[in-house]
Amino acid sequence: AQKVTQAQTEISVVEKEDVTLDCVYETRDTTYYLFWYKQPPSGELVFLIRRNSFDEQNEISGRYSWNFQKSTSSFNFTITASQVVDSAVYFCALSEAMNTGRRALTFGSGTRLQVQP
Amino acid sequence: DARVTQTPRHKVTEMGQEVTMRCQPILGHNTVFWYRQTMMQGLELLAYFRNRAPLDDSGMPKDRFSAEMPDATLATLKIQPSEPRDSAVYFCASASGGNQPQHFGDGTRLSIL
Repeated sequence: AQKVTQAQTEISVVEKEDVTLDCVYETRDTTYYLFWYKQPPSGELVFLIRRNSFDEQNEISGRYSWNFQKSTSSFNFTITASQVVDSAVYFCALSEAMNTGRRALTFGSGTRLQVQP
Repeated sequence: DARVTQTPRHKVTEMGQEVTMRCQPILGHNTVFWYRQTMMQGLELLAYFRNRAPLDDSGMPKDRFSAEMPDATLATLKIQPSEPRDSAVYFCASASGGNQPQHFGDGTRLSIL
């Protein structure tokens, strides 16, 4: 069975600090997809990134970057120069592509990020 | 921007009442998901559809929950009879297929008294 672990329940930083949110996953599939979603205080879930298991290149989008390491089954998310608007709960999720045919997401428990001014 | 639309946004009702939640997926998306979010269980899948056919509803309590897609523009999730433990935020999401990103609606916050 697939599993996503976000060990950090809550992180608090001061504005402009860099912060890394950890995500570790388990799957038996060789082909799978990893995602990050943001849930701001207003409650909606906002898609941030999707990564497939064959693409281990790191990705940068503005102040956001993602580090995918298959060897350690991790898909970590870094926010550089954090801002108060980054305060939210961040979810890492996994979708298996092949064996089960299941396309639904298995979510981690989320990391609540508080950015203080 | 195209969005998934969920109604109602909030629902408060008494135990035993029927609850119907509706979802309009993004036009052209053929895969629709229902998730439930609670403090204790986090985000968990209830059911999902591809091309209106149910593919997986193993996460749904069958005795009281039902999910349907009467047409490509409407998905419904019903609870009958509702119980206090059903109180949660229910999210609908849609995707253009395969492992494409799922786009979520704003959710229905359900409180069963």
